Amino acid sequence: NAGVMQNPRHLVRRRGQEARLRCSPMKGHSHVYWYRQLPEEGLKFMVYLQKENIIDESGMPKERFSAEFPKEGPSILRIQQVVRGDSAAYFCASSPGPGEKLFFGSGTQLSVL
Amino acid sequence: SQQGEEDPQALSIQEGENATMNCSYKTSINNLQWYRQNSGRGLVHLILIRSNEREKHSGRLRVTLDTSKKSSSLLITASRAADTASYFCATDVQGSQGNLIFGKGTKLSVKP
Repeated sequence: NAGVMQNPRHLVRRRGQEARLRCSPMKGHSHVYWYRQLPEEGLKFMVYLQKENIIDESGMPKERFSAEFPKEGPSILRIQQVVRGDSAAYFCASSPGPGEKLFFGSGTQLSVL
Repeated sequence: SQQGEEDPQALSIQEGENATMNCSYKTSINNLQWYRQNSGRGLVHLILIRSNEREKHSGRLRVTLDTSKKSSSLLITASRAADTASYFCATDVQGSQGNLIFGKGTKLSVKP
């Protein structure tokens, strides 16, 4: 049973480009969460999705950021027109239900040049 | 605003000693969880304690929860160098959609 898979592991973008981060949850998990972590900081909640639905996006910046979890395929976190301040580690986690323990992926380290 | 706050921010001990980390939170919760993160890696779940529980054990880990003080502690007994990592508490807030809110973490260093 594979764990939570995130790709790419490292992503380098120039300012103004788009970044797409992918997350495949654990088998049987329909709840996906995205978090952002800056160096030496804790995780900041971004968005919580179930299949085809956004449950809570209260942590998402209002502009340039979007997330989806389609019926088929991985969850995607999309950042348009990236800026240097978007550089961070982005972690995806999945769970079998709300409020239960999370299983984390290894993260995507986004670097914006 | 931050829901969970760990204390201390950093802790350095010798192998064999016990390590205690504390977490305080602000609002009522359904459960509180502790996670561990090795540098540059994803988080690993350690233990979950529900709001109606006061203490829980798992191997060398002991977690307590005091809902009246809105605080929890994580005790690691007989620490090992391999326990070196950052430890985070996370709360499932009552009335929320089920997403977890993480604290800033305690960085534990266990010297051999």
